[in-house]
Amino acid sequence: GESVGLHLPTLSVQEGDNSIINCAYSNSASDYFIWYKQESGKGPQFIIDIRSNMDKRQGQRVTVLLNKTVKHLSLQIAATQPGDSAVYFCAVGGSGGGNKLTFGTGTQLKVEL
Amino acid sequence: SQTIHQWPATLVQPVGSPLSLECTVEGTSNPNLYWYRQAAGRGLQLLFYSVGIGQISSEVPQNLSASRPQDRQFILSSKKLLLSDSGFYLCAGDLGGVRYEQYFGPGTRLTVT
Repeated sequence: GESVGLHLPTLSVQEGDNSIINCAYSNSASDYFIWYKQESGKGPQFIIDIRSNMDKRQGQRVTVLLNKTVKHLSLQIAATQPGDSAVYFCAVGGSGGGNKLTFGTGTQLKVEL
Repeated sequence: SQTIHQWPATLVQPVGSPLSLECTVEGTSNPNLYWYRQAAGRGLQLLFYSVGIGQISSEVPQNLSASRPQDRQFILSSKKLLLSDSGFYLCAGDLGGVRYEQYFGPGTRLTVT
């Protein structure tokens, strides 16, 4: 099976700073990694994904880094804005469970003005 | 793009009453569909998933059941609710095949009293 954990339950950053949210997974056969953003009372929203054949992928203000050697995943948010305040989850798939994803417990990102 | 609809948004039910939550999918055919439960401040627990009409896999033993009567309809049910069934219920779908990213509905907040 797979277990997924985030390093910090809460992260506070100043507006305009860069944010880094980390995630660790256990199964080296995992092939697919996703970051989700969940605002209070809403469903998770897809942010960015990466496959195991890559180690970096960039989107708009976000970058996902994958280190398969130590089974570590991170989400970097550039120039963090108040609208980025939310809970961020990493999800891992492809380790023999069909299309099922295993979710981490989430990191609450708080942006201070 | 795929859109997941869920209703109702909130629900308060007494212990021992039945439950029916509905999820419908728009914009894709033959999706894999998922029901998750999220306790306050916690990660997502997969309850059921379905790869097609009438095909349901249960991930955890519990007081709930699921059905998929149509390709784009997924229903979560209970005959008699327990206090421990309270939580935030999320329906999600993916595009099947080798596409792992799941898209979530807005969720149903269930409170059992």
